[in-house]
Amino acid sequence: GENVEQHPSTLSVQEGDSAVIKCTYSDSASNYFPWYKQELGKRPQLIIDIRSNVGEKKDQRIAVTLNKTAKHFSLHITETQPEDSAVYFCAAPRANAGKSTFGDGTTLTVKP
Amino acid sequence: ETGVTQTPRHLVMGMTNKKSLKCEQHLGHNAMYWYKQSAKKPLELMFVYNFKEQTENNSVPSRFSPECPNSSHLFLHLHTLQPEDSALYLCASSQDHFGGGNTIYFGEGSWLTVV
Repeated sequence: GENVEQHPSTLSVQEGDSAVIKCTYSDSASNYFPWYKQELGKRPQLIIDIRSNVGEKKDQRIAVTLNKTAKHFSLHITETQPEDSAVYFCAAPRANAGKSTFGDGTTLTVKP
Repeated sequence: ETGVTQTPRHLVMGMTNKKSLKCEQHLGHNAMYWYKQSAKKPLELMFVYNFKEQTENNSVPSRFSPECPNSSHLFLHLHTLQPEDSALYLCASSQDHFGGGNTIYFGEGSWLTVV
């Protein structure tokens, strides 16, 4: 089955610094790589995703990069703000399969 | 936001009780999911229904019994649970199966405490 490893499990940065979270996956058939953000006491919500035919995607202060050869993808947050503090989950679902494998999450704390 | 609604939000039950969690989605989606969220495993897939048919059962104990009467509703029937089953249970939906590259929309979750 699919295995997704997410690192680091916790990350603390100063406001204004950048944060990077990395995920590695095992199934070469995976072709869709979303990132979800879960604020304390709230539901996980999609913040950005990338498909396998693209190497990088940006949306304001967040970006995702994909290296299909090495089977890893990363979330980049620039100019971090306190409201970026949350748990972030990556996923690498297999194509044509209902099973979705999420990473174990990264707790990001942005210190003001 | 009321795309995926779950009831009850909080549930306390004894180990011999029978209770049910309910989920309803108003997004016109065809796939629905149950996830368990705990400190041990932050997002653990339990069941997947695609067009009302169960397509995934991630080795979940039989004391958890899902039911999907139509594409908009999903239930999780609970019976003779253990204290270690205490967790946040998240319902979710997507256009169809997540593997097709579809966004998953989560409900707010049902906090379950087994005493």
